[in-house]
Amino acid sequence: GAGVSQTPSNKVTEKGKYVELRCDPISGHTALYWYRQSLGQGPEFLIYFQGTGAADDSGLPNDRFFAVRPEGSVSTLKIQRTERGDSAVYLCASSLGLATDTQYFGPGTRLTVL
Amino acid sequence: GENVEQHPSTLSVQEGDSAVIKCTYSDSASNYFPWYKQELGKGPQLIIDIRSNVGEKKDQRIAVTLNKTAKHFSLHITETQPEDSAVYFCAADRSEGTYKYIFGTGTRLKVLA
Repeated sequence: GAGVSQTPSNKVTEKGKYVELRCDPISGHTALYWYRQSLGQGPEFLIYFQGTGAADDSGLPNDRFFAVRPEGSVSTLKIQRTERGDSAVYLCASSLGLATDTQYFGPGTRLTVL
Repeated sequence: GENVEQHPSTLSVQEGDSAVIKCTYSDSASNYFPWYKQELGKGPQLIIDIRSNVGEKKDQRIAVTLNKTAKHFSLHITETQPEDSAVYFCAADRSEGTYKYIFGTGTRLKVLA
């Protein structure tokens, strides 16, 4: 079946601009996660949704970052007033929703802030 | 804070040899330990996982061992092939109130033909 999909695959923006990154989870997966991966590093947790609600947003670096999942499926990560330090690959993962369920990752969106 | 240490950062082996990657975690509440393979420009792909109620798991050429007392786990790849070349990440779950993973820093494996 279809895996996790993310759009766009690449996004180049200028410092100070607003960006939105989209994630389509695997059908039927109730849990959705956003991670950020800097060059040469492992993914770092940003936020986790169970259904429509953000169950854990402790990884969001500051209030410029926000994510929504209004219907419990597609999620959008929103970054305001982008900074060069926001440049990274943003990964989305989904799982069936229990604590012991494996997370399956999408291909990521590479964000470059000039 | 909680973290996962991974060694080595790079590993080169001859085709057909074995490769071993080791990880140590700090959160004693962790119960699930997946391993991911990431190729250039792609997202992490699960290759094997292990839960805290078992000590070893094998899937063809790949095996993972877990020592909960010492809080470390290892990935073993036997009969390596050039297509095994990639970056490998270990991870540990945080089962207390959140389902996020803590990842290691990755190991770049090169299999030399």
